[in-house]
Amino acid sequence: QVQLQESGPGLVQPSQTLSLTCTVSGGTVSSGGYYWSWIRQHPVKGLEWIGYIYYSGSTHYNPSLKSRVTISVEPSENQFSLNLRSVTAADTAVYYCARVGGANHFDYWGQGTLVTVSS
Amino acid sequence: SYVLTQPPSVSVAPGKTARISCGGNIIGSKGVHWYQQKPGQAPVLVVYDDSDRPSGIPERFSGSNSGNTATLIISRVEAGDEADYFCQVWDSSSDHPYVFGTGTKVTVL
Repeated sequence: QVQLQESGPGLVQPSQTLSLTCTVSGGTVSSGGYYWSWIRQHPVKGLEWIGYIYYSGSTHYNPSLKSRVTISVEPSENQFSLNLRSVTAADTAVYYCARVGGANHFDYWGQGTLVTVSS
Repeated sequence: SYVLTQPPSVSVAPGKTARISCGGNIIGSKGVHWYQQKPGQAPVLVVYDDSDRPSGIPERFSGSNSGNTATLIISRVEAGDEADYFCQVWDSSSDHPYVFGTGTKVTVL
């Protein structure tokens, strides 16, 4: 059973960089065949796809966030990470990491972590 | 980018059938996936590729997809089915390929 777990600061100051890490267990990020993704959910709102990474390092980002986002993978740690630069209050959300399954669905999710942008 | 529209809420009595719609332009040509999200929890995949169920998901959850509407069907509704439900598609022609619906709150009366 694949499990994902997000970790990182719960509070980030405006204009700073939000950094989160997703640790994968029960599977490997370098096994191939899967993309590894970040998704966020604003309070009382819907889900927004942020981007994904393949174990080779290739990435694809949501155009609305592309200028501020970097997703990286660390196969030796079985982790992948999210950096979101120049954050504002609008970036306050629950952030999830997830695996993209073969039908381009999200078959495994982390529990989510709330990140608040505030001074 | 592609837009998916869901009704904000659906109410259903226990033991009855709930139908949650997801509207999109020629959505019948795409694979539709459905997620259940309970308060304070991460979404859980309940149906993928229109009508397939992941391991561990009850047969009471099923789906259909045709024309401009996909539907999640929950048969013999139980109190534990009360949750938010989101549809999702992969739009291969878009630079923003992973699109979620607006979400539907299912209330069990």
